[in-house]
Amino acid sequence: EDKVVQSPLSLVVHEGDTVTLNCSYEVTNFRSLLWYKQEKKAPTFLFMLTSSGIEKKSGRLSSILDKKELFSILNITATQTGDSAVYLCAVYRDDKIIFGKGTRLHILP
Amino acid sequence: NAGVMQNPRHLVRRRGQEARLRCSPMKGHSHVYWYRQLPEEGLKFMVYLQKENIIDESGMPKERFSAEFPKEGPSILRIQQVVRGDSAAYFCASSPLAGSKYNEQFFGPGTRLTVL
Repeated sequence: EDKVVQSPLSLVVHEGDTVTLNCSYEVTNFRSLLWYKQEKKAPTFLFMLTSSGIEKKSGRLSSILDKKELFSILNITATQTGDSAVYLCAVYRDDKIIFGKGTRLHILP
Repeated sequence: NAGVMQNPRHLVRRRGQEARLRCSPMKGHSHVYWYRQLPEEGLKFMVYLQKENIIDESGMPKERFSAEFPKEGPSILRIQQVVRGDSAAYFCASSPLAGSKYNEQFFGPGTRLTVL
């Protein structure tokens, strides 16, 4: 059965800290891995990763995929309170996306 | 350029009633996906539709749930005889092409269904 597992399930850090969120997967017909940020509304797209070893960056966020070991990490440096959210990892296979349960990140001021 | 639109945003139904959730994809998008998010759980895929076709309904409960995406008009997720366990946030997403390299799905704001 296809699965996407995220860890940790929740994380509390202080503003300015760096965090690493993990995502491992076992999915047939893998096409790409996606990261989303979900606050009190719909998920918003962060990254799509298709190739191993190529880091994607957007401001303080970065992500990388390892297709051999079947995992991805999402890094957030110099965290801010506005980064508090649920971060969802998802794998796109065939024509649907399989989501993990998310990591709930809370940034303390 | 309007994003994915869903309505209503909040829907309250009593047990046994019907719930109809609507989704209008982004302009130019012909692929619609429905997801359900139960409290404290991740998003779960329900169904994937193209215009007038159900492509994959492997995530749909076998009974009471149905979905359509007619040639004209929004996609509809219909839940008959709702039960308390149907209370959840239902998200719709759209994408321009299946199998495209650019396969991000753009999400609507969701419909929060509460069954009393």
